[in-house]
Amino acid sequence: KQEVTQIPAALSVPEGENLVLNCSFTDSAIYNLQWFRQDPGKGLTSLLLIQSSQREQTSGRLNASLDKSSGRSTLYIAASQPGDSATYLCAVRYSGGGADGLTFGKGTHLIIQP
Amino acid sequence: DAGVIQSPRHEVTEMGQEVTLRCKPISGHDYLFWYRQTMMRGLELLIYFNNNVPIDDSGMPEDRFSAKMPNASFSTLKIQPSEPRDSAVYFCASSLGLAPELEQFFGPGTRLTVL
Repeated sequence: KQEVTQIPAALSVPEGENLVLNCSFTDSAIYNLQWFRQDPGKGLTSLLLIQSSQREQTSGRLNASLDKSSGRSTLYIAASQPGDSATYLCAVRYSGGGADGLTFGKGTHLIIQP
Repeated sequence: DAGVIQSPRHEVTEMGQEVTLRCKPISGHDYLFWYRQTMMRGLELLIYFNNNVPIDDSGMPEDRFSAKMPNASFSTLKIQPSEPRDSAVYFCASSLGLAPELEQFFGPGTRLTVL
């Protein structure tokens, strides 16, 4: 079974720190990987999408990297702010066999302390 | 565009009742996905449609669950009869296509509580 794992499950850091969230997946045959943000009681907001042929994507203070050979992705958040507090979800779209939905990790619950 | 629209946002019902969740995808998106989020299992794909046709329903947990897409702008997920273990947040998502550069866009979800 294809799985996505996120470490750590929870993280609390002081405002201003740079931080890294990790995502690993079991099968390197992927189409793309998406990072989402979920606020309590809300839906999912797409942050970054990395295609299988790409190594990284950047948006503002966010940078996501992809290493297919090792089955890993990282989300780097620079100069964290209290407004970054949320749950961050990693999702992989695996290729082949009609598996066109996303396989999600359980998420990293991030708290940025003011 | 208003994004993916789901209704109702919250639903509380009693065990045994029929529940219908609704979704309007982003206009022009050919793919529609239904996901379920629980504390124990996280987010899981239930079923998805391409051009209103169900493609993969292997994630639908039981025959009590059914989904339809009568036209390009509307889909329903029905649970009949509902059970307490169906309590979860149900998300609908849509996508222009399946090319690697195309994202899935999610609605706000429907929080279902079955008593």
